[in-house]
Amino acid sequence: AQSVAQPEDQVNVAEGNPLTVKCTYSVSGNPYLFWYVQYPNRGLQFLLKYITGDNLVKGSYGFEAEFNKSQTSFHLKKPSALVSDSALYFCAVSPFRGNTPLVFGKGTRLSVIA
Amino acid sequence: NAGVTQTPKFQVLKTGQSMTLQCAQDMNHNSMYWYRQDPGMGLRLIYYSASEGTTDKGEVPNGYNVSRLNKREFSLRLESAAPSQTSVYFCASSVQGADYGYTFGSGTRLTVV
Repeated sequence: AQSVAQPEDQVNVAEGNPLTVKCTYSVSGNPYLFWYVQYPNRGLQFLLKYITGDNLVKGSYGFEAEFNKSQTSFHLKKPSALVSDSALYFCAVSPFRGNTPLVFGKGTRLSVIA
Repeated sequence: NAGVTQTPKFQVLKTGQSMTLQCAQDMNHNSMYWYRQDPGMGLRLIYYSASEGTTDKGEVPNGYNVSRLNKREFSLRLESAAPSQTSVYFCASSVQGADYGYTFGSGTRLTVV
């Protein structure tokens, strides 16, 4: 069965500094990997995904993520954080094929301080 | 606007009461899902429907039932609510499986007292 680990409950970063939100996964075969963001009292919004191809994936709002197969990681990054990036971030994984639903991590709360 | 619509947005139930959470999507998606979100637990899958006419249990199905009424609608029923079912419930849909990711509704905040 697939699983996702987000080792940090909370990440604090100063505005303008680079940010990283960590994600590691476990799945049989090649994974589908996703990042979602949740703002207060809202549903989850899609940020980016890795299916195949380049290991560096670019997504919405200047976010990017790097797929590392050997380390089974898919860390979310942004070169320069904004206060408006403060939110709850979820990593999710599914096996490459079939209709197996996404499994989500427990989430990481990002706080960007002005 | 196209998307996933959940009703109601808020609900308070007494222990033992029943209710149905409604979900509808207008994107012609084949797959639909129900998740619950609890602090420190992330999102956990309750039930899903890979296509019209099929439903399957997820990680935490006990105490819930679902109905895929048609391609657009996927409802979640609590037959006898318990305080442990206090949570935020999200419905999501996808074209088919996980290939293109999910579109989420705005959630239903349920409190069972």
